[in-house]
Amino acid sequence: AQKITQTQPGMFVQEKEAVTLDCTYDTSDPSYGLFWYKQPSSGEMIFLIYQGSYDQQNATEGRYSLNFQKARKSANLVISASQLGDSAMYFCAMREFNDYKLSFGAGTTVTVRA
Amino acid sequence: DAEITQSPRHKITETGRQVTLACHQTWNHNNMFWYRQDLGHGLRLIHYSYGVHDTNKGEVSDGYSVSRSNTEDLPLTLESAASSQTSVYFCASSDSSRTYEQYFGPGTRLTVT
Repeated sequence: AQKITQTQPGMFVQEKEAVTLDCTYDTSDPSYGLFWYKQPSSGEMIFLIYQGSYDQQNATEGRYSLNFQKARKSANLVISASQLGDSAMYFCAMREFNDYKLSFGAGTTVTVRA
Repeated sequence: DAEITQSPRHKITETGRQVTLACHQTWNHNNMFWYRQDLGHGLRLIHYSYGVHDTNKGEVSDGYSVSRSNTEDLPLTLESAASSQTSVYFCASSDSSRTYEQYFGPGTRLTVT
């Protein structure tokens, strides 16, 4: 069964605007971690942000923030003040407790327009 | 600086040949992973290892094998390459920190003709 769902294959955003990338997940484990990775056209995978299921606050890292809604099982990534360099594929991933492997979503391509 | 490397970065091979993709990390991480990336599927787990001599199958392990003889290396072998194995392959490693963040190699683009 698909554990991570990213329903937006592609999105366009105007430079300097904010964009929200959707991610929903499925797990029966009460303890888990959620990750977002960025993959630019050069191909490397870049870790952006992490949210633990028991973390009291939503995670933030610079212009990236994670809108974590546990009851809805969603972990949306918000990129504020978009820059041209934010154009990339973005992947949501999940790790369940006592397990080190990640399950990835299909990804969302973001294109930032000048 | 610690890093994770993959070789070769690009390879073209013929159907039926055995192919080995190398992955080497200097993070001293216990956990290592192999993923393949195909359009529309994101990254799918092939095999993983949580320590020396430990290997486990992922969701798409058919036709692939791994072995872990030391901490630094986890080579991925395609026993008899098939066109369906044309893909981009990523190796990753992680430690036992709180987040278990995975560090990825640069990827290997494999084409099976």
